[in-house]
Amino acid sequence: NAGVTQTPKFRVLKTGQSMTLLCAQDMNHEYMYWYRQDPGMGLRLIHYSVGEGTTAKGEVPDGYNVSRLKKQNFLLGLESAAPSQTSVYFCASSYSGRRNTEAFFGQGTRLTVV
Amino acid sequence: AQKITQTQPGMFVQEKEAVTLDCTYDTSDPSYGLFWYKQPSSGEMIFLIYQGSYDQQNATEGRYSLNFQKARKSANLVISASQLGDSAMYFCAMRPGGTSYGKLTFGQGTILTVHP
Repeated sequence: NAGVTQTPKFRVLKTGQSMTLLCAQDMNHEYMYWYRQDPGMGLRLIHYSVGEGTTAKGEVPDGYNVSRLKKQNFLLGLESAAPSQTSVYFCASSYSGRRNTEAFFGQGTRLTVV
Repeated sequence: AQKITQTQPGMFVQEKEAVTLDCTYDTSDPSYGLFWYKQPSSGEMIFLIYQGSYDQQNATEGRYSLNFQKARKSANLVISASQLGDSAMYFCAMRPGGTSYGKLTFGQGTILTVHP
């Protein structure tokens, strides 16, 4: 089983460039999330989706946009990359939002903005 | 709002010994779930153990156990008989019940190093 797959795994961007990170899950999960991981800060929620066609802001949404046109895919976009967006990005999915539901994570995308 | 605090940036343990990683949390929700994840140097997030706020007994999964003290709002991870492969970053996380949409709040993480 593939689980949650993130594309790409590594990327270097120049300031001002745009890019899209793709998250794909094959578990038919309703809920999907994008987090960023920074040293000393753990993982912080950027955006999330509770079903196809829905998106909502998380804790640190500024500078990012998302789309969930298909249930299995959750895209994270950076319209104009900034050095502050250098981070490791994780996508996660779960079949429900209940407190006892495990979230499954992708392998992460290491993004460097120079 | 929820908050998770891991006060140990780094911990060292001798192989085959036990180690406790601390986690305290703050929430006003009566219903929540607590998770521990392991992140090895390869970067993936590996689920280790879960504890529900209404669970009467501490969770255990193999060499992992969760020391849940609800009144003190702590959920410490205990790893028994440490192995070299346990060297990794460990995150404590909380997922509220109700209409939180399953959003996880993470602590800062603790880097565990197991010495031979």
